[in-house]
Amino acid sequence: DAGVTQSPTHLIKTRGQQVTLRCSPKSGHDTVSWYQQALGQGPQFIFQYYEEEERQRGNFPDRFSGHQFPNYSSELNVNALLLGDSALYLCASSWDPKGKVRGYTFGSGTRLTVV
Amino acid sequence: DAKTTQPNSMESNEEEPVHLPCNHSTISGTDYIHWYRQLPSQGPEYVIHGLTSNVNNRMASLAIAEDRKSSTLILHRATLRDAAVYYCILRANTGRRALTFGSGTRLQVQP
Repeated sequence: DAGVTQSPTHLIKTRGQQVTLRCSPKSGHDTVSWYQQALGQGPQFIFQYYEEEERQRGNFPDRFSGHQFPNYSSELNVNALLLGDSALYLCASSWDPKGKVRGYTFGSGTRLTVV
Repeated sequence: DAKTTQPNSMESNEEEPVHLPCNHSTISGTDYIHWYRQLPSQGPEYVIHGLTSNVNNRMASLAIAEDRKSSTLILHRATLRDAAVYYCILRANTGRRALTFGSGTRLQVQP
């Protein structure tokens, strides 16, 4: 049973460029969340998608946007890249049947370096 | 979401038990206590969660104080593979709530 798959694993971009990161959730999961993890820090929540809509958002600027497709996979887009956007970007999927608390399954992340 | 407090780092010897503490004095009645760990160069991994009663699974045990203001993650026999950053997270059981990570506890396991 495949877990969460993220692509690419590593990426180098130049300041001002745009980047798209991709995530395939674990089989049976319908909710996808994205996190940013700077070196030495805990992951910070960016946003969450469910039923192809953004349901929750963390404290990130509008340069960060996303999309969820009918097959539950998701993309994270970052426009006008800054040096400070260099980080590990993590995708997590989950399934939350009503009344039940489930754990999240994380991918191994995409390491983005902005130069 | 309510805040948690964990020690920055802890050390343990291989094959000995490890008790990782977490304080959450402002926990609300609907908050579940979740533990995740992050091995080097990997994404976080779910360990265990609980509400009021102590919980056991194949990875660890979770001991929850009677007043729920603190909890302890117990690794019964630490292995070198358990060296990771351990995060204690409170998550409300309302809707599809995201996880709010703190800085966690970095566990070192000595052979």
